[in-house]
Amino acid sequence: SAVISQKPSRDICQRGTSLTIQCQVDSQVTMMFWYRQQPGQSLTLIATANQGSEATYESGFVIDKFPISRPNLTFSTLTVSNMSPEDSSIYLCSVSTGTGALYEQYFGPGTRLTVT
Amino acid sequence: GQQLNQSPQSMFIQEGEDVSMNCTSSSIFNTWLWYKQDPGEGPVLLIALYKAGELTSNGRLTAQFGTTRKDSFLNISASIPSDVGIYFCAVRLSGTYKYIFGTGTRLKVLA
Repeated sequence: SAVISQKPSRDICQRGTSLTIQCQVDSQVTMMFWYRQQPGQSLTLIATANQGSEATYESGFVIDKFPISRPNLTFSTLTVSNMSPEDSSIYLCSVSTGTGALYEQYFGPGTRLTVT
Repeated sequence: GQQLNQSPQSMFIQEGEDVSMNCTSSSIFNTWLWYKQDPGEGPVLLIALYKAGELTSNGRLTAQFGTTRKDSFLNISASIPSDVGIYFCAVRLSGTYKYIFGTGTRLKVLA
């Protein structure tokens, strides 16, 4: 397993501004991901954070809106840019660990973002 | 895109009752995970299933990986108030380390 922390735990931001969320893992991991969970909804994958290269984004998410950094194997950031009220969600960092075919995914506590 | 449907969407049960929920897909997946999410928290991994037909337990929780590899079931025995939360299934996309999540089952336990 892995222990994951996120900062900030929550924030209230004004529209048009940007917020950077940090994710720290207690061990080196290859696979790190960012998810969004809109109010009352399930989790949607935003992107895979790749160490040493650009993040890989899922359909409907773009780098200009959600730039991601992955400077090393224990840390990543997600920025929510030019925010609007529709960006109000919980943003979750996750890692995938395991060997062979036996991989599991673990999550951080999330960052609750409210955009006014 | 691919979708995982969970049922029921929500349920109220009495403390002490057994609970059963399921997760279905139109596609085959080889890894199924079950999570619980408490309010204001990230999802916590409960059980991982890797083999079709596999039955795995974790305390009062038991999960089964369907033989068709298109479904999974989670059972909770003798429910207690702290079982309240949202339960999500997730499957690993073939050839990747990415997971997609089900629609969730919201469980409420009446003391």
